[in-house]
Amino acid sequence: DTGVSQNPRHKITKRGQNVTFRCDPISEHNRLYWYRQTLGQGPEFLTYFQNEAQLEKSRLLSDRFSAERPKGSFSTLEIQRTEQGDSAMYLCASSFPRNTEAFFGQGTRLTVV
Amino acid sequence: AQSVTQLDSHVSVSEGTPVLLRCNYSSSYSPSLFWYVQHPNKGLQLLLKYTSAATLVKGINGFEAEFKKSETSFHLTKPSAHMSDAAEYFCSTGTASKLTFGTGTRLQVTL
Repeated sequence: DTGVSQNPRHKITKRGQNVTFRCDPISEHNRLYWYRQTLGQGPEFLTYFQNEAQLEKSRLLSDRFSAERPKGSFSTLEIQRTEQGDSAMYLCASSFPRNTEAFFGQGTRLTVV
Repeated sequence: AQSVTQLDSHVSVSEGTPVLLRCNYSSSYSPSLFWYVQHPNKGLQLLLKYTSAATLVKGINGFEAEFKKSETSFHLTKPSAHMSDAAEYFCSTGTASKLTFGTGTRLQVTL
């Protein structure tokens, strides 16, 4: 499968715990994006990388959230001290630079109980 | 700032009848516009995109969209709905670094 891969697909965690998600983009793509989708809403932009550089972060990305892409390949999104409001689908996408066509993964559904 | 508004949260059609999903955009310049589809527990799949070339854009699975600057609209159409079209559809706009999505339209297809 040469698409965008996200792991895990589902995560249930207790409030206050830390969680980490992984995204493996399409190998030729050097741009990688994270979006969050809550129930009944469209995806909302969180952040994006070009290679290993994080170029933009949304104000939605509070200080409890951190994203990395250390070698310009896969990326991780960590949420510290999770809250119930963090429950959402976290989507990763990738693209070529300056190409508006982004390819999305299947997402990681986070449930905070 | 660029934004899109999806005018219907839910649309129901019978199989074999036309589909119309409505999207209006707001932009101070010629926007890039997209339609994505999301099936249950699946990621977003790009149906089609408009990037200031032809105003009538053909996408996958028989879908089309027409960019109308005078109406600031980018409605998605399909001549004949199929049961497999039942899904959530998102209109979006943006740049190569960030997409802004509408709230989605759930398409129901009945027999």
